[in-house]
Amino acid sequence: AQKITQTQPGMFVQEKEAVTLDCTYDTSDQSYGLFWYKQPSSGEMIFLIYQGSYDEQNATEGRYSLNFQKARKSANLVISASQLGDSAMYFCAMRQGGKLIFGQGTELSVKP
Amino acid sequence: ETGVTQSPTHLIKTRGQQVTLRCSSQSGHNTVSWYQQALGQGPQFIFQYYREEENGRGNFPPRFSGLQFPNYSSELNVNALELDDSALYLCASSLPPGRVGSITGELFFGEGSRLTVL
Repeated sequence: AQKITQTQPGMFVQEKEAVTLDCTYDTSDQSYGLFWYKQPSSGEMIFLIYQGSYDEQNATEGRYSLNFQKARKSANLVISASQLGDSAMYFCAMRQGGKLIFGQGTELSVKP
Repeated sequence: ETGVTQSPTHLIKTRGQQVTLRCSSQSGHNTVSWYQQALGQGPQFIFQYYREEENGRGNFPPRFSGLQFPNYSSELNVNALELDDSALYLCASSLPPGRVGSITGELFFGEGSRLTVL
């Protein structure tokens, strides 16, 4: 069965520094997609970045990049130049058919 | 903002009651999914609707049911509420992967309906 594991319940980072949020996954599929979502206290899940299993390059979207290591089955999110507004829950997810399987999430706190 | 709206935003029910949650999908999105997010957990897939038909279901009992309407809006109904049904219920709309405007099939979520069962 497919599974997403996020081992960091909470992380702290100083404003303007970079932070890496860990995500490992388990699947027997050859083709799959990995997502990162941000969930502020309002509850809405905000799509950040996507990595396809056949993509040769790591995905990047502005300050977000995904460190994809296929052999290790990891898809870590890197946020550069952290901002106070980055404080939120972050979820890694994998697509299985039409649904997403989410990890437990990491709560990121950005300190001024 | 994603263009996905949910109502009500908060509600309180008692055990045994029934609840209906509503979702308007983003314009042009014909697929709607519902997720349950318990406190401190990641969202769990309940079911998905595509063109008014159920198109996949997670590990939830039959008292969780849904509808999708011709305008692609959707309802989630939960009967015989239990204390463990207390959660944030998230609706998400999408296009099938590969469609124009949806290379990845990413989901666009609303802000959720927070249900408390007493």
